[in-house]
Amino acid sequence: KQEVTQIPAALSVPEGENLVLNCSFTDSAIYNLQWFRQDPGKGLTSLLLIQSSQREQTSGRLNASLDKSSGRSTLYIAASQPGDSATYLCAVCKNNDMRFGAGTRLTVKP
Amino acid sequence: EAQVTQNPRYLITVTGKKLTVTCSQNMNHEYMSWYRQDPGLGLRQIYYSMNVEVTDKGDVPEGYKVSRKEKRNFPLILESPSPNQTSLYFCASSHRGLYSYEQYFGPGTRLTVT
Repeated sequence: KQEVTQIPAALSVPEGENLVLNCSFTDSAIYNLQWFRQDPGKGLTSLLLIQSSQREQTSGRLNASLDKSSGRSTLYIAASQPGDSATYLCAVCKNNDMRFGAGTRLTVKP
Repeated sequence: EAQVTQNPRYLITVTGKKLTVTCSQNMNHEYMSWYRQDPGLGLRQIYYSMNVEVTDKGDVPEGYKVSRKEKRNFPLILESPSPNQTSLYFCASSHRGLYSYEQYFGPGTRLTVT
C-alpha cells in the first residue's frame, strides 16, 4: 500500500528566503505526482503535475522535482512571500488511486 | 469558467438523518472522486468513478454511497450519518488520460454530525 510522507510538518521562514518542501513515497511505480496548495478552510489548488517520465516542472517561482527510483519529490519555492503561506500537499497517482501526504504548513513572515 | 461545485458548503445534521452532498463539474471529465479530510489523517479517498455508471471504493467507503448517472454529477450519499463522519469533504474531477490525472477540486463541504 502506497504511503506518502511530507517533511517537515510545519515550516516558518522570513520573507525572501528560498525553501524546499519534501515528499517521499514508498511505491515508485506511479503515474504522476502532483503538488497542491490549500488555504485555511478552502479547497485544493493544483500547482504542478510531474508525469512519471519527467524529472521536474517549473511554474513561476515554483520548481518541483521527481526522483522515482528513490521515491522522492521536492517543491522549491524561490523568494518566498507572505502570500505563499498555506499548506502544501503532495499526492501520488497510480491507476485510479491517488494518495496524499499530510501536508507541510508553511508560514512566511513579513 | 471551468470548475467543480459542491453543495452545500456547510451542513450541520443529526445522527441518522440521510443527506446528500452534490458535486458537479463542467469540464467533461470522465473521472470523479470524493475525499474526506481530517486533522492528522490528511485526505483519504472515499469513492471514485471512472465514467457514467462505473464507481469503485476508495480507502474509506464505509457509511457512504455514490452514484454516477450523468457524466457531470457525482453525489455523495450518507444514508445514516454518524458523528465519526464529521469532516471536510472534497469532490474532485480529472480527465481519464492514462498519464494525465491532474485533479481539480471543489471548494469543500464542511459536515458536522451531532
